[in-house]
Amino acid sequence: GDSVTQMEGPVTLSEEAFLTINCTYTATGYPSLFWYVQYPGEGLQLLLKATKADDKGSNKGFEATYRKETTSFHLEKGSVQVSDSAVYFCALSRETSYDKVIFGPGTSLSVIP
Amino acid sequence: GAGVSQSPSNKVTEKGKDVELRCDPISGHTALYWYRQSLGQGLEFLIYFQGNSAPDKSGLPSDRFSAERTGGSVSTLTIQRTQQEDSAVYLCASSFLGQSTDTQYFGPGTRLTVL
Repeated sequence: GDSVTQMEGPVTLSEEAFLTINCTYTATGYPSLFWYVQYPGEGLQLLLKATKADDKGSNKGFEATYRKETTSFHLEKGSVQVSDSAVYFCALSRETSYDKVIFGPGTSLSVIP
Repeated sequence: GAGVSQSPSNKVTEKGKDVELRCDPISGHTALYWYRQSLGQGLEFLIYFQGNSAPDKSGLPSDRFSAERTGGSVSTLTIQRTQQEDSAVYLCASSFLGQSTDTQYFGPGTRLTVL
């Protein structure tokens, strides 16, 4: 079945370090791809999304490019801040209409000063 | 405008009791989803509504779980005869049309603890 795999955490980085969180997916057709973020004590919120191959989603300095050939949607940020500490979820929704979001297991990120 | 709201924010109950969890989606959103977030299980899909109909109930873990939506708006998730393994954060989300490209907006969740 359709699924999302992302790198295991926790990830600990120093402030201003470069961040990559790997995400790969299994799905037929052309799913939409998402990164959701959950800050401590808060609900899930959309960070960025891409709905077709080669699209790049970006927000708050984060970027991810929809790579159909490698079935990947890796999240990157050039310089992380302490405020980026959160759990990041890669997710997809299938090409069929009216569908649920399938989430990866989440990657916990801690950024230390 | 207001986001997705859920109530209660926390619920502690005894094993065997019934509980009701409420979700108020964003006004005008036709699609509504329930998910469960628990340690070791990640985020699990429970049920999806389009309007008042539930075309996908595939994620409901047992017949103790049921959900309804009225007026194309508020939804209630009911868990009967709660068990300790039901302890989790229950998340509600809504989207404008429910299409695969739509963003789902999540509520803050209800943390359920079954003693």
